[in-house]
Amino acid sequence: DAGVIQSPRHEVTEMGQEVTLRCKPISGHDYLFWYRQTMMRGLELLIYFNNNVPIDDSGMPEDRFSAKMPNASFSTLKIQPSEPRDSAVYFCASSLGPGAGGTQYFGPGTRLTVL
Amino acid sequence: GQNIDQPTEMTATEGAIVQINCTYQTSGFNGLFWYQQHAGEAPTFLSYNVLDGLEEKGRFSSFLSRSKGYSYLLLKELQMKDSASYLCAVRKVNTDKLIFGTGTRLQVFP
Repeated sequence: DAGVIQSPRHEVTEMGQEVTLRCKPISGHDYLFWYRQTMMRGLELLIYFNNNVPIDDSGMPEDRFSAKMPNASFSTLKIQPSEPRDSAVYFCASSLGPGAGGTQYFGPGTRLTVL
Repeated sequence: GQNIDQPTEMTATEGAIVQINCTYQTSGFNGLFWYQQHAGEAPTFLSYNVLDGLEEKGRFSSFLSRSKGYSYLLLKELQMKDSASYLCAVRKVNTDKLIFGTGTRLQVFP
């Protein structure tokens, strides 16, 4: 079975540009999570969805970040405009939810560099 | 709020046993997870504890004491491929999100 799929795997952009990260969760998983990982702050949850509905976006740093989940098999995380401090690895994860243990399975991540 | 504490780094020798501790402070605890993350890769699930006691899975075991806010991950018969970061994560009741510790970087030497 395919795991969580993310694209692109690497993104290098210039400050001020728009960046869109994409995620396809594991089929049948109702929950989707977006994380950001840096050396300084570790792994931080940005936002998560249940059945395509955003449940908690308290981790989204500021208005420059937005996330959507138009259907059960696709989500995007957009940064506009991007800044150098946004440089990090962004992970998407999915799960069946707490009723099934709640184990989250992570995609390979997108390494974002903003120059 | 929640505090999750883990040692930053540990070293061990191939074939040995190592214990990685995690302490947490949270209201409404609803499960603790351990993940392994090799450099440049995604975290992968290792274990889950929601009740007190020991869960064993091959060379890896995880222990939980809810009253003490304490967990450990025990790795036996260490192999070089066990060199990685180990992340402890806590889930609260009435939420589905995990709060991760900063991770413990384990280096295994021959």
